[in-house]
Amino acid sequence: QQQVRQSPQSLTVWEGETAILNCSYENSAFDYFPWYQQFPGEGPALLIAIRSVSDKKEDGRFTIFFNKREKKLSLHITDSQPGDSATYFCAASANTGNYKYVFGAGTRLKVIA
Amino acid sequence: EAAVTQSPRNKVTVTGGNVTLSCRQTNSHNYMYWYRQDTGHGLRLIHYSYGAGNLQIGDVPDGYKATRTTQEDFFLLLELASPSQTSLYFCASSDVNERLFFGHGTKLSVL
Repeated sequence: QQQVRQSPQSLTVWEGETAILNCSYENSAFDYFPWYQQFPGEGPALLIAIRSVSDKKEDGRFTIFFNKREKKLSLHITDSQPGDSATYFCAASANTGNYKYVFGAGTRLKVIA
Repeated sequence: EAAVTQSPRNKVTVTGGNVTLSCRQTNSHNYMYWYRQDTGHGLRLIHYSYGAGNLQIGDVPDGYKATRTTQEDFFLLLELASPSQTSLYFCASSDVNERLFFGHGTKLSVL
């Protein structure tokens, strides 16, 4: 059972467009939602994260929108650049003190110049 | 910047073989993790640990053992490797701000 779901599986946008990556979860105990970015041949790296007490987190061109009632969140990448082409993972953890993270299957983003 | 080093980078073994994947982190993080990455499944947690001698069961532990010998070192053991364990394996450590730092991965092929 996939506790964290991501859509779409892959996404192609033109340079300058806004890419929207979606994530949903089932466990109401999840309260921390990081997004990781992974380039081919490398390990994932933390991009941006949000806690459930907030409904929006912004860092430059990257913004997370969070809807606790619907258990959904999305990552918006504005002014997309070819260098943003990567796989993006949504993850979740619960404030149980065990630092256990569950990842979605990822969205592969391609930005065309 | 946190450093997590995995070895080997690539490993090929046969069905029934014995494999040990190694991971070292140099930032004194308490938590360390082993994940496997497969297309369509993302990253799935195998085992994790919050300190030397401690081991916690992850979500897909069958066929895997792990051991945390020191604060720095975390090992993943496949004692009877099977083709279903062909995957890309990542080790990670976590700081107090809940940031995961990943290694570059180990590509394992079980023939």
